[in-house]
Amino acid sequence: DAKTTQPPSMDCAEGRAANLPCNHSTISGNEYVYWYRQIHSQGPQYIIHGLKNNETNEMASLIITEDRKSSTLILPHATLRDTAVYYCIVRPRRAGGGADGLTFGKGTHLIIQP
Amino acid sequence: EAQVTQNPRYLITVTGKKLTVTCSQNMNHEYMSWYRQDPGLGLRQIYYSMNVEVTDKGDVPEGYKVSRKEKRNFPLILESPSPNQTSLYFCASSKLGTGGMNTEAFFGQGTRLTVV
Repeated sequence: DAKTTQPPSMDCAEGRAANLPCNHSTISGNEYVYWYRQIHSQGPQYIIHGLKNNETNEMASLIITEDRKSSTLILPHATLRDTAVYYCIVRPRRAGGGADGLTFGKGTHLIIQP
Repeated sequence: EAQVTQNPRYLITVTGKKLTVTCSQNMNHEYMSWYRQDPGLGLRQIYYSMNVEVTDKGDVPEGYKVSRKEKRNFPLILESPSPNQTSLYFCASSKLGTGGMNTEAFFGQGTRLTVV
């Protein structure tokens, strides 16, 4: 069963903020929310992760709702190079137990329009 | 530069001819894994290794072997490739944090394998 639900595709105008939603209603207390992206068959690239507080780094911001059942990845000023498939992943804090917990679903294909 | 390096990037081979895809990381990461990516199926984990001489099956291990003799290398071996192993393969590595905690994974650039 999928642990996360994301829209299959989204458009965003260049220079605007891209807000990518993710539902993870069955998340447990020992699981983080991770975001990765994949640009045209290249290796997935780590973006950001969080547990319950909002997080920001040089690439993006992550907003997690108080009940932790959903989150939003924000790319503040999208560029054409941000066109990619974005994956929201719920992942155990601790490694092992069968896998590293990186289960990639279908993600959201974000298209930045010029 | 911190990176995960896979070779070759592209490979066309014939059914039954043994092949090895190499993966090397220069970040002293404990954890390494292999994924395959197929249209409509997303990325699926094949094998993983939590340290030298420690490997375990992922979600789709059939037809593959791995070894972890050194910390930096994690080759993927196809003893007798078949056409259904035609896919895009990714190697990944990550550091295990204190107490075995997951950290962000770094991926290689991929190996596109075609078995005819």
